[in-house]
Amino acid sequence: AQTVTQSQPEMSVQEAETVTLSCTYDTSENNYYLFWYKQPPSRQMILVIRQEAYKQQNATENRFSVNFQKAAKSFSLKISDSQLGDTAMYFCAFIADQGAQKLVFGQGTRLTINP
Amino acid sequence: KAGVTQTPRYLIKTRGQQVTLSCSPISGHRSVSWYQQTPGQGLQFLFEYFSETQRNKGNFPGRFSGRQFSNSRSEMNVSTLELGDSALYLCASSLRPSTDTQYFGPGTRLTVL
Repeated sequence: AQTVTQSQPEMSVQEAETVTLSCTYDTSENNYYLFWYKQPPSRQMILVIRQEAYKQQNATENRFSVNFQKAAKSFSLKISDSQLGDTAMYFCAFIADQGAQKLVFGQGTRLTINP
Repeated sequence: KAGVTQTPRYLIKTRGQQVTLSCSPISGHRSVSWYQQTPGQGLQFLFEYFSETQRNKGNFPGRFSGRQFSNSRSEMNVSTLELGDSALYLCASSLRPSTDTQYFGPGTRLTVL
């Protein structure tokens, strides 16, 4: 069974700083996809970034980028020039290409951006 | 294009009752998945539907059921509610099943008293 672990329950940084959220996963699959989702307080979950495991290049979306280390089964999210609107719960998620194709989520990291 | 919609947004029920939640996917999306979110257990997969067929089911009791209609709209039903069923129920849609990106709705907050 696949598992996803986020070791940082809470983080807090000042506005404009760079912050990195950690995520590790465990799987025996070779083809899979990884995601970071953001859930602002009392608002719906939105996709931040997606990474295909077969791609060596790290995904980037504006201020958000990932550091994908397949051998280490690590998938961290870096937020550059953090903004107040980045305050949210961040979930790392995994889905395999074969077998039970369901999103498996980590426990989440509560990120607070302070003015 | 409108996002995933879920109705109702909030529900209060008492133990033993049953409840039906509804989800309308993004137009053109044919796959719908349901997740339960609680502070203790986090986000857990309930089931996935595609072309009116349940493709996957999570580790939940038979009191949790669902279905999908020909227009891809989906409903989930929980019978004989228990206090532990209090949660945020999230629906997500994707173009196809498997590894297509899932887009989430705002959720239905169910409180069981």
